[in-house]
Amino acid sequence: GIQVEQSPPDLILQEGANSTLRCNFSDSVNNLQWFHQNPWGQLINLFYIPSGTKQNGRLSATTVATERYSLLYISSSQTTDSGVYFCAVDPGTYKYIFGTGTRLKVLA
Amino acid sequence: GAGVSQSPSNKVTEKGKDVELRCDPISGHTALYWYRQSLGQGLEFLIYFQGNSAPDKSGLPSDRFSAERTGGSVSTLTIQRTQQEDSAVYLCASSYGQEAFFGQGTRLTVV
Repeated sequence: GIQVEQSPPDLILQEGANSTLRCNFSDSVNNLQWFHQNPWGQLINLFYIPSGTKQNGRLSATTVATERYSLLYISSSQTTDSGVYFCAVDPGTYKYIFGTGTRLKVLA
Repeated sequence: GAGVSQSPSNKVTEKGKDVELRCDPISGHTALYWYRQSLGQGLEFLIYFQGNSAPDKSGLPSDRFSAERTGGSVSTLTIQRTQQEDSAVYLCASSYGQEAFFGQGTRLTVV
C-alpha cells in the first residue's frame, strides 16, 4: 500500500518563527488533506490540496503531485499553532491514509 | 448538524464487555469513515461507508469489531468482548466529495 512519510517528526519553534513541514507519499493520489490536531485531540481541517498552492492567513500549502510531495508553511508562528500536523492522502481507494505526523511546539 | 458529532465523548468499560460508539455525520454527507488513534500514534483506518454500497471493512482489526450505518446517516461501531489493546480514541469522519471532516472522537478505556 501507499506509504506516507512526514518530516520532521518533532519541531520546536520560538514564537514568531517560520517553518516548513513536509509530506512525501509513495504513489499517486487523488486527494490530499492537511490537518492540525490540537491539544484536545480535535482534528481541524487546514487544507484540501491534491495539487497546486493555497493560502489561508499565516498558513499556506503546496502539493506537487507529479513529484509526490506536499509542503505546509507556517509563518509568524503562535503558541496556538502547537499540536500535531497530519498529512492524509487518498490513493484512489476513497479512504485516507495518514502520515505519522509532525509534533510542533511553539514557545512564547 | 453543523459538524460530525460523536457520543459518548469518553467511555470506560471492563475487559470482556461490549461497547457501542455512535457517529452522527454532517447532514447530506454520503461517505462515513471510522478511524482509531492509539496514544501518541497516527490514525488507523477501520471502515468506510459510501451511500448504499457495501462498506469497505478492510481495516477492522478483528471479528470483534463491526459497524453499521442506518438509513445512510448515523453509524454505530460495536466492539465485542473488549480487550485492553482496544483502548484508543475512535474518530469518525464524513465527506461529500473529497474533503473529510472529523468529529471530536470517543476516548475508550478498557480496564
